[in-house]
Amino acid sequence: SQQGEEDPQALSIQEGENATMNCSYKTSINNLQWYRQNSGRGLVHLILIRSNEREKHSGRLRVTLDTSKKSSSLLITASRAADTASYFCATNTGFQKLVFGTGTRLLVSP
Amino acid sequence: EPEVTQTPSHQVTQMGQEVILRCVPISNHLYFYWYRQILGQKVEFLVSFYNNEISEKSEIFDDQFSVERPDGSNFTLKIRSTKLEDSAMYFCASYGPRRNTIYFGEGSWLTVV
Repeated sequence: SQQGEEDPQALSIQEGENATMNCSYKTSINNLQWYRQNSGRGLVHLILIRSNEREKHSGRLRVTLDTSKKSSSLLITASRAADTASYFCATNTGFQKLVFGTGTRLLVSP
Repeated sequence: EPEVTQTPSHQVTQMGQEVILRCVPISNHLYFYWYRQILGQKVEFLVSFYNNEISEKSEIFDDQFSVERPDGSNFTLKIRSTKLEDSAMYFCASYGPRRNTIYFGEGSWLTVV
């Protein structure tokens, strides 16, 4: 089965710096999505990248996808303290289910 | 932005008791899901539901679990006889083809004591 593994597991940066998180997966996918989770809260959808796309932007977020390496990265530019959260990648091959990675805990210090 | 809503936000129950977690998916969505997240661990798929039946379920979703869409708006997860290891955050989600995105609710914390 597919499994997403993010690295690093934890990332600590200062406000204004960029944060890069990586995700690897094992099988073919239709798309890959990134979600954010504040501590004890729900999952907020950030961005979806389809398997035929290589890069996508949304505000301060930039996602890349390399299907040959089965990996994706999420870049948050000019980070803010409010970006402190856990970030998960999730893959799916259709409507049936998402397979989540282990997540990266991001701490942005003022 | 439309939302998936879940109730209760937190429930404490005794081992062996039945629990029903409720969800109202986004109104024009047709695919519904339950996921769970044990504290500090990854989010795990439990079950997907489409056209009034289960379309896929995971190994976690054993005979103690059931789902139902009793009317046109609610989607429920029932755990018949809770165990300590069922303590987790349970997320309901629904899929919208327009944005090709699965939307999650805020979750229901279940604590089994």
